[in-house]
Amino acid sequence: ETGVTQTPRHLVMGMTNKKSLKCEQHLGHNAMYWYKQSAKKPLELMFVYNFKEQTENNSVPSRFSPECPNSSHLFLHLHTLQPEDSALYLCASSPIGQGAYEQYFGPGTRLTVT
Amino acid sequence: AQSVAQPEDQVNVAEGNPLTVKCTYSVSGNPYLFWYVQYPNRGLQFLLKYITGDNLVKGSYGFEAEFNKSQTSFHLKKPSALVSDSALYFCAVRPRHSGSARQLTFGSGTQLTVLP
Repeated sequence: ETGVTQTPRHLVMGMTNKKSLKCEQHLGHNAMYWYKQSAKKPLELMFVYNFKEQTENNSVPSRFSPECPNSSHLFLHLHTLQPEDSALYLCASSPIGQGAYEQYFGPGTRLTVT
Repeated sequence: AQSVAQPEDQVNVAEGNPLTVKCTYSVSGNPYLFWYVQYPNRGLQFLLKYITGDNLVKGSYGFEAEFNKSQTSFHLKKPSALVSDSALYFCAVRPRHSGSARQLTFGSGTQLTVLP
């Protein structure tokens, strides 16, 4: 579908579990993003990475821990989540610069916290 | 701060009729404007964007959008709707000169249902 893949596509975890979401982009982009999409709410930008460096953290709780080992891979480590964290987590990538670059999204990971 | 409003949570249209999905924005200067579509259990797909020039922008799948600076609007349109156009549509804005802030601000989305 797109050059951005996410695994797993579905994840069910208990509140005491630790899990990780993975995102990989094959588009040669240098910016990567994590979004949270909850029902009836706008997309929430969580983190932004430019050239592997975190440039944005929109007051995300510390139970979400991102990692960007290189420009092609992005992880979201999860621990001691709450039921309200259940949502679709979307990864995106884009070129870096002042141009009108659109972001390319992965299919998302549907997370359910029980 | 920039913001995007999609005033309609739901739009229903009959197949073959024209469709419009509304978007208004609030941002200083001349922004870049985008439309995305999301099908069930999928990520967002880029449809079109406004950069500069012609106010009517053509995009994928026969969609187009009209930029209106005076009304700060960027409505999505299609002359003849298809049942397969049924999906969730998002408008997004990014300031033209945003320094290090390259992120998009999204609207809350509009669910389009095309009735056969």
